[in-house]
Amino acid sequence: QVQLVQSGAEVKKPGASVKVSCKASGYTFASYYMHWVRQAPGQGLEYMGIINPREGNTNYAQKFRDRVSMTRDTSTSTVYMELTSLRSEDTAVYFCAREKPRTFYFDSWGQGTLVTVSS
Amino acid sequence: QSALTQPASVSGSPGQSITISCTGTSSDVGNYNLVSWYQQHPGKAPKLMIYEVSKWPSGVSNHFSGSKSGNTASLTISGLQAEDEADYYCCSYAASNTYVFGTGTKVTVL
Repeated sequence: QVQLVQSGAEVKKPGASVKVSCKASGYTFASYYMHWVRQAPGQGLEYMGIINPREGNTNYAQKFRDRVSMTRDTSTSTVYMELTSLRSEDTAVYFCAREKPRTFYFDSWGQGTLVTVSS
Repeated sequence: QSALTQPASVSGSPGQSITISCTGTSSDVGNYNLVSWYQQHPGKAPKLMIYEVSKWPSGVSNHFSGSKSGNTASLTISGLQAEDEADYYCCSYAASNTYVFGTGTKVTVL
C-alpha cells in the first residue's frame, strides 16, 4: 500500500533552517509528483510547492520562493523540503502529498511533521 | 494568491444535508474544473474526498458530492453522520503549477 512517512518533529531557533524528509513506498517513486503543504496551529492548509521526482524540477509558491528548496533522492525514494531563515510564523505541521501527474489533486498524504520555531 | 473563502463553520443533525461553499476568482475556481475537497480530523492528515469538482476517489462514500457554478464550488454532505464531523478544505489549481486552498470549514454534527 502507498505510504509516505515523514521525519520527526523539530525545534529550531529563529534564523535557522530545517530539512524535513518524506519517504515513499508502495508505488513507483518517480511516477508521481510530490507537493508540500503546511498548517500553522489552529489554521488552514497552505500550499508551498511541488517537485517532480523523476527530473528533480520544482515550482514554489511565490510566498516561499526565496526560502524553500525541494530535492529528492531517487535511491531511497525520499523527497526533502528545506526552509531557511525560520521565524516564529513558520511554526506549523508540514505535510508531503502525492499527485499522479496532471491530475491536480493529492491522493495520499504523509503523517505530518511539526516544526516549532522558538528562541 | 489569496485563500479561497469558505464559511468558518456549518452544522447539521444526523441524516440532514449540509453544503459548504468555496469562493475563489476567475483565476482559479472559475477558470478550471480542478477543484478538490479534503476532510481532516483533528491531529490527522487531510484525506481526499472529491476531485475534479464532482468525482469520487475509490473508497469514498457517495454521500459526499461536489459541484461548481462560476467562481464558487460546493461540497454537499447528504445524510450527515457522526463520523463526518471534521474540518473540510477546498483546493483549486491556479495556473503555473500552483494551488490555493480554502480557509477551511468546521462541520459539527449536532
